Amino acid sequence: AQSVSQHNHHVILSEAASLELGCNYSYGGTVNLFWYVQYPGQHLQLLLKYFSGDPLVKGIKGFEAEFIKSKFSFNLRKPSVQWSDTAEYFCAVNANSGGYQKVTFGIGTKLQVIP
Amino acid sequence: NAGVTQTPKFQVLKTGQSMTLQCAQDMNHEYMSWYRQDPGMGLRLIHYSVGAGITDQGEVPNGYNVSRSTTEDFPLRLLSAAPSQTSVYFCASSLTPYNSPLHFGNGTRLTVT
Repeated sequence: AQSVSQHNHHVILSEAASLELGCNYSYGGTVNLFWYVQYPGQHLQLLLKYFSGDPLVKGIKGFEAEFIKSKFSFNLRKPSVQWSDTAEYFCAVNANSGGYQKVTFGIGTKLQVIP
Repeated sequence: NAGVTQTPKFQVLKTGQSMTLQCAQDMNHEYMSWYRQDPGMGLRLIHYSVGAGITDQGEVPNGYNVSRSTTEDFPLRLLSAAPSQTSVYFCASSLTPYNSPLHFGNGTRLTVT
């Protein structure tokens, strides 16, 4: 079965600091990887996704993530955070085994950006 | 275009009561699913559906029933609520059942006393 680990549960940064949120998954086969974001009081929305091809994927609002297959990782990065990036971030994985998708989520990382 | 609509937003139940959480999507998505979100546990899949009349269990199905009579609607039923079902419930849909990003509703916060 697939699983996802997010290492940082609560991160506090000042505006303009760089961000990196760790995500590791466990699954031996091909995977699809996602980062979702949940802004305060809102629903989860897709930040970026990796299906295949270039392991460096770019998403909305200046976020990017790098898929490193050998490390089973899909870390989220942003060079300079803004106060509006305060939110909870979820890494998710779907085993691309040809069957129906059953997306597994990490426990989430709460990011607080201090002005 | 409303996307995924969940009702109610908040609900308080007493142990043993039953209720149905509603979920509707207007994007003609094949795939619909229910997740629960609990502190320190992330989102866990309860049930999912890949089309009208087709449903299956996720990671934590016990205590919940679902059905899908139309493409648009995917209600989640709690037959006899328990305090362990206190959680935030999210409905999510995707265009296809294969490797397709999820679109989430705003969630239902359920408290069982």
